[in-house]
Amino acid sequence: SQQGEEDPQALSIQEGENATMNCSYKTSINNLQWYRQNSGRGLVHLILIRSNEREKHSGRLRVTLDTSKKSSSLLITASRAADTASYFCATDAGNDMRFGAGTRLTVKP
Amino acid sequence: GAVVSQHPSRVICKSGTSVKIECRSLDFQATTMFWYRQFPKKSLMLMATSNEGSKATYEQGVEKDKFLINHASLTLSTLTVTSAHPEDSSFYICSANVGAEAFFGQGTRLTVV
Repeated sequence: SQQGEEDPQALSIQEGENATMNCSYKTSINNLQWYRQNSGRGLVHLILIRSNEREKHSGRLRVTLDTSKKSSSLLITASRAADTASYFCATDAGNDMRFGAGTRLTVKP
Repeated sequence: GAVVSQHPSRVICKSGTSVKIECRSLDFQATTMFWYRQFPKKSLMLMATSNEGSKATYEQGVEKDKFLINHASLTLSTLTVTSAHPEDSSFYICSANVGAEAFFGQGTRLTVV
């Protein structure tokens, strides 16, 4: 089911620039996950951050979590054309997972 | 917006029985649907891509005879867990896209006892 909001809904940048996507949610969570979806393909897990963590890195990805504001951000540094995809956050509250509407990222070469 | 309905939301079954989970696109047609599985406190794992009118595409390591997928119409895909065992207990969720937008079912929590 969908919950929370992601912004922006769409983001277009030049290769080499950084891309920041935000996700807000409403309930208490165990963890928050970011996924990527290329056109016509299933979700690919990018990174999971637990509720007691504030920041996590994986390669060019940096995720922050602010549980007091119920928000998270995904930063992709030095973007590449291959990063063009939709990005979704998902919150895990224990009983189920809920997804944001996603941000469509376009990286222009 | 588009709605994906997944049923049932929870099911408890005995070991050795089969369970069918339905995923319906209520107001759009979906030639492709995705099935995921989530273990507790873990990320979603893509199990298979369901293709209307043709065989599903399974991810490596997913047993196609164990997890039967049928996508007989443009609005319905089903996942049948055959001869379920306790290790099949998990959260299963489906999704479908309208363009770049993904819509998710409510998920099914399967418990095999």
